[in-house]
Amino acid sequence: QVQLVQSGAEVKKPGASVKVSCKASGYTFTTYYMHWVRQAPGQGLEWMGIINPSGGNTRYAQKFQDRVTMTRDTSTSTVYMELSSLRSEDTAVYYCVRDREGYGDRKIFDPWGQGTLVRVSS
Amino acid sequence: EIVLTQSPATLSLSPGERATLSCRASQSVSTFLGWYQQKPGQAPRLLIYDASNRATGFPARFSGSGSGTDFTLTISSLEPEDFAVYYCQHRFNWPPTFGQGTRLEIK
Repeated sequence: QVQLVQSGAEVKKPGASVKVSCKASGYTFTTYYMHWVRQAPGQGLEWMGIINPSGGNTRYAQKFQDRVTMTRDTSTSTVYMELSSLRSEDTAVYYCVRDREGYGDRKIFDPWGQGTLVRVSS
Repeated sequence: EIVLTQSPATLSLSPGERATLSCRASQSVSTFLGWYQQKPGQAPRLLIYDASNRATGFPARFSGSGSGTDFTLTISSLEPEDFAVYYCQHRFNWPPTFGQGTRLEIK
Protein backbone atom coordinates (compact mmCIF):
# COMPACT_ATOMS: atom_id res chain seq x y z
CA GLN A 1 0.00 0.00 0.00
CA VAL A 2 1.06 3.60 -0.41
CA GLN A 3 3.22 4.81 2.48
CA LEU A 4 4.94 8.08 3.23
CA VAL A 5 7.40 7.82 6.10
CA GLN A 6 8.90 11.03 7.40
CA SER A 7 12.04 11.69 9.41
CA GLY A 8 11.97 12.25 13.13
CA ALA A 9 11.35 15.31 15.27
CA GLU A 10 13.85 18.13 15.27
CA VAL A 11 14.77 20.92 17.67
CA LYS A 12 16.49 23.91 16.11
CA LYS A 13 17.71 27.30 17.23
CA PRO A 14 16.43 30.49 15.64
CA GLY A 15 18.30 31.26 12.44
CA ALA A 16 19.16 27.63 11.75
CA SER A 17 17.87 25.42 8.95
CA VAL A 18 16.00 22.13 9.04
CA LYS A 19 15.69 19.43 6.41
CA VAL A 20 12.79 16.99 6.64
CA SER A 21 12.67 13.84 4.56
CA CYS A 22 9.72 11.83 3.28
CA LYS A 23 10.31 8.34 1.89
CA ALA A 24 7.62 7.02 -0.42
CA SER A 25 6.76 3.42 -1.14
CA GLY A 26 3.99 1.36 -2.68
CA TYR A 27 3.69 3.28 -5.94
CA THR A 28 5.72 4.69 -8.82
CA PHE A 29 7.52 7.60 -7.18
CA THR A 30 7.93 9.75 -10.29
CA THR A 31 4.26 9.61 -11.26
CA TYR A 32 2.78 11.61 -8.40
CA TYR A 33 3.52 15.16 -7.33
CA MET A 34 4.29 15.71 -3.65
CA HIS A 35 3.21 18.62 -1.46
CA TRP A 36 4.32 19.92 1.90
CA VAL A 37 1.76 21.25 4.38
CA ARG A 38 2.44 22.48 7.88
CA GLN A 39 0.37 22.87 11.03
CA ALA A 40 1.39 25.05 13.95
CA PRO A 41 0.35 23.80 17.41
CA GLY A 42 -3.40 24.04 17.80
CA GLN A 43 -3.71 25.78 14.46
CA GLY A 44 -4.94 25.02 10.95
CA LEU A 45 -3.25 23.73 7.83
CA GLU A 46 -0.94 25.76 5.60
CA TRP A 47 0.26 24.70 2.14
CA MET A 48 3.96 25.34 1.58
CA GLY A 49 4.78 24.04 -1.86
CA ILE A 50 4.88 21.22 -4.37
CA ILE A 51 7.54 19.21 -6.17
CA ASN A 52 7.31 17.09 -9.26
CA PRO A 53 9.44 14.05 -8.42
CA SER A 54 9.95 13.30 -12.09
CA GLY A 55 11.58 16.55 -13.22
CA GLY A 56 12.30 18.11 -9.85
CA ASN A 57 10.45 21.31 -10.67
CA THR A 58 8.86 23.10 -7.79
CA ARG A 59 6.33 25.74 -6.87
CA TYR A 60 6.33 27.46 -3.51
CA ALA A 61 3.82 29.49 -1.54
CA GLN A 62 4.80 33.13 -1.70
CA LYS A 63 5.17 33.24 2.08
CA PHE A 64 7.99 30.70 1.97
CA GLN A 65 9.51 31.56 -1.41
CA ASP A 66 12.75 32.91 0.01
CA ARG A 67 13.30 30.27 2.68
CA VAL A 68 12.13 26.88 1.42
CA THR A 69 13.77 24.39 -0.91
CA MET A 70 12.13 21.14 -1.98
CA THR A 71 14.22 18.43 -3.61
CA ARG A 72 13.95 14.77 -4.42
CA ASP A 73 16.13 11.70 -4.81
CA THR A 74 14.61 9.30 -7.30
CA SER A 75 17.09 6.56 -6.39
CA THR A 76 15.60 6.32 -2.89
CA SER A 77 12.06 7.59 -3.63
CA THR A 78 12.54 10.37 -1.12
CA VAL A 79 11.52 14.00 -1.15
CA TYR A 80 13.04 16.65 1.09
CA MET A 81 11.88 19.98 2.44
CA GLU A 82 14.49 22.38 3.78
CA LEU A 83 13.42 25.52 5.60
CA SER A 84 16.04 28.12 6.47
CA SER A 85 16.27 31.13 8.76
CA LEU A 86 14.01 29.44 11.26
CA ARG A 87 12.05 31.51 13.75
CA SER A 88 9.78 30.56 16.62
CA GLU A 89 6.71 30.90 14.39
CA ASP A 90 8.02 28.00 12.31
CA THR A 91 7.39 25.59 15.18
CA ALA A 92 4.91 23.19 13.60
CA VAL A 93 4.24 19.70 12.37
CA TYR A 94 5.36 19.39 8.77
CA TYR A 95 3.55 16.90 6.54
CA CYS A 96 4.45 15.54 3.16
CA VAL A 97 1.35 14.61 1.24
CA ARG A 98 1.00 13.03 -2.14
CA ASP A 99 -1.27 14.31 -4.85
CA ARG A 100 -4.15 11.90 -5.22
CA GLU A 101 -3.88 11.59 -8.99
CA GLY A 102 -0.79 11.03 -11.05
CA TYR A 103 0.64 13.01 -13.94
CA GLY A 104 -0.46 16.38 -12.69
CA ASP A 105 -0.80 18.81 -9.84
CA ARG A 106 -4.46 18.25 -8.98
CA LYS A 107 -3.95 19.58 -5.46
CA ILE A 108 -6.00 16.80 -3.85
CA PHE A 109 -4.01 15.72 -0.82
CA ASP A 110 -4.00 11.96 -0.31
CA PRO A 111 -2.34 10.22 1.44
CA TRP A 112 -0.42 12.10 4.14
CA GLY A 113 2.81 11.28 5.89
CA GLN A 114 2.77 10.88 9.65
CA GLY A 115 4.19 14.36 10.20
CA THR A 116 7.46 15.70 11.59
CA LEU A 117 7.49 18.06 14.54
CA VAL A 118 9.99 20.87 14.16
CA ARG A 119 10.48 22.98 17.27
CA VAL A 120 12.36 26.25 17.06
CA SER A 121 13.63 27.40 20.40
CA SER A 122 16.64 29.19 21.79
CA GLU B 1 -5.48 34.09 -2.55
CA ILE B 2 -8.87 32.56 -1.90
CA VAL B 3 -10.03 32.67 1.70
CA LEU B 4 -12.18 29.82 3.01
CA THR B 5 -14.36 30.52 6.03
CA GLN B 6 -15.77 27.59 7.96
CA SER B 7 -18.71 27.69 10.31
CA PRO B 8 -19.36 27.04 13.04
CA ALA B 9 -15.95 26.98 14.68
CA THR B 10 -17.22 24.34 17.10
CA LEU B 11 -20.24 22.11 16.78
CA SER B 12 -21.49 20.19 19.79
CA LEU B 13 -23.75 17.26 18.97
CA SER B 14 -24.65 13.82 20.28
CA PRO B 15 -24.12 10.46 18.59
CA GLY B 16 -26.98 9.74 16.25
CA GLU B 17 -27.59 13.38 15.43
CA ARG B 18 -27.07 15.01 12.03
CA ALA B 19 -24.10 17.30 11.55
CA THR B 20 -23.99 20.10 9.00
CA LEU B 21 -20.68 21.91 8.47
CA SER B 22 -20.29 24.91 6.20
CA CYS B 23 -17.43 26.29 4.11
CA ARG B 24 -17.67 29.56 2.23
CA ALA B 25 -15.13 30.75 -0.34
CA SER B 26 -14.19 34.38 -0.95
CA GLN B 27 -14.66 33.79 -4.68
CA SER B 28 -16.04 30.97 -6.80
CA VAL B 29 -14.04 27.75 -6.73
CA SER B 30 -16.48 25.87 -8.99
CA THR B 31 -16.63 22.39 -7.45
CA PHE B 32 -12.90 22.24 -6.69
CA LEU B 33 -13.36 21.89 -2.97
CA GLY B 34 -12.45 19.07 -0.63
CA TRP B 35 -12.87 18.12 3.00
CA TYR B 36 -10.40 16.51 5.40
CA GLN B 37 -10.91 14.85 8.75
CA GLN B 38 -8.28 15.16 11.46
CA LYS B 39 -8.30 13.31 14.77
CA PRO B 40 -6.06 14.28 17.69
CA GLY B 41 -2.43 13.34 17.14
CA GLN B 42 -3.07 12.13 13.61
CA ALA B 43 -2.48 13.48 10.14
CA PRO B 44 -5.50 14.73 8.22
CA ARG B 45 -7.30 12.28 5.93
CA LEU B 46 -8.99 13.11 2.66
CA LEU B 47 -12.74 12.71 3.15
CA ILE B 48 -14.43 14.39 0.18
CA TYR B 49 -12.92 15.72 -3.05
CA ASP B 50 -14.41 17.90 -5.74
CA ALA B 51 -17.35 18.86 -3.56
CA SER B 52 -19.20 15.56 -3.47
CA ASN B 53 -16.90 12.59 -4.12
CA ARG B 54 -16.32 10.46 -1.07
CA ALA B 55 -12.79 9.17 -0.57
CA THR B 56 -11.95 5.53 -0.04
CA GLY B 57 -12.66 4.23 3.42
CA PHE B 58 -15.40 6.64 4.47
CA PRO B 59 -18.97 5.40 4.87
CA ALA B 60 -22.01 6.72 3.10
CA ARG B 61 -23.16 8.76 6.10
CA PHE B 62 -20.62 11.36 4.96
CA SER B 63 -21.71 13.51 2.04
CA GLY B 64 -20.61 16.77 0.47
CA SER B 65 -22.49 19.28 -1.62
CA GLY B 66 -22.23 22.75 -3.07
CA SER B 67 -20.63 24.73 -5.85
CA GLY B 68 -19.36 28.22 -6.45
CA THR B 69 -18.82 29.77 -3.03
CA ASP B 70 -20.97 27.73 -0.64
CA PHE B 71 -20.29 24.16 0.40
CA THR B 72 -21.65 21.77 2.99
CA LEU B 73 -20.35 18.63 4.63
CA THR B 74 -23.14 16.51 6.12
CA ILE B 75 -22.81 13.58 8.45
CA SER B 76 -26.23 11.98 8.52
CA SER B 77 -26.02 10.16 11.85
CA LEU B 78 -22.98 10.73 14.02
CA GLU B 79 -20.93 7.79 15.22
CA PRO B 80 -18.48 8.15 18.13
CA GLU B 81 -15.51 7.96 15.74
CA ASP B 82 -16.73 10.97 13.74
CA PHE B 83 -15.88 13.50 16.43
CA ALA B 84 -12.85 15.29 15.03
CA VAL B 85 -11.77 18.50 13.31
CA TYR B 86 -12.87 19.00 9.71
CA TYR B 87 -11.09 21.25 7.22
CA CYS B 88 -12.18 22.37 3.79
CA GLN B 89 -9.62 23.09 1.06
CA HIS B 90 -9.91 24.48 -2.45
CA ARG B 91 -7.84 23.52 -5.48
CA PHE B 92 -9.25 26.09 -7.90
CA ASN B 93 -6.01 28.00 -8.31
CA TRP B 94 -2.65 28.69 -6.66
CA PRO B 95 -2.14 28.59 -3.81
CA PRO B 96 -4.48 25.93 -2.50
CA THR B 97 -5.78 27.11 0.85
CA PHE B 98 -7.58 25.59 3.80
CA GLY B 99 -10.37 26.83 6.02
CA GLN B 100 -9.63 27.31 9.69
CA GLY B 101 -11.49 24.15 10.65
CA THR B 102 -14.65 23.10 12.46
CA ARG B 103 -14.28 21.12 15.65
CA LEU B 104 -17.05 18.55 16.00
CA GLU B 105 -17.32 17.63 19.66
CA ILE B 106 -19.49 15.32 21.71
CA LYS B 107 -22.27 17.10 23.53
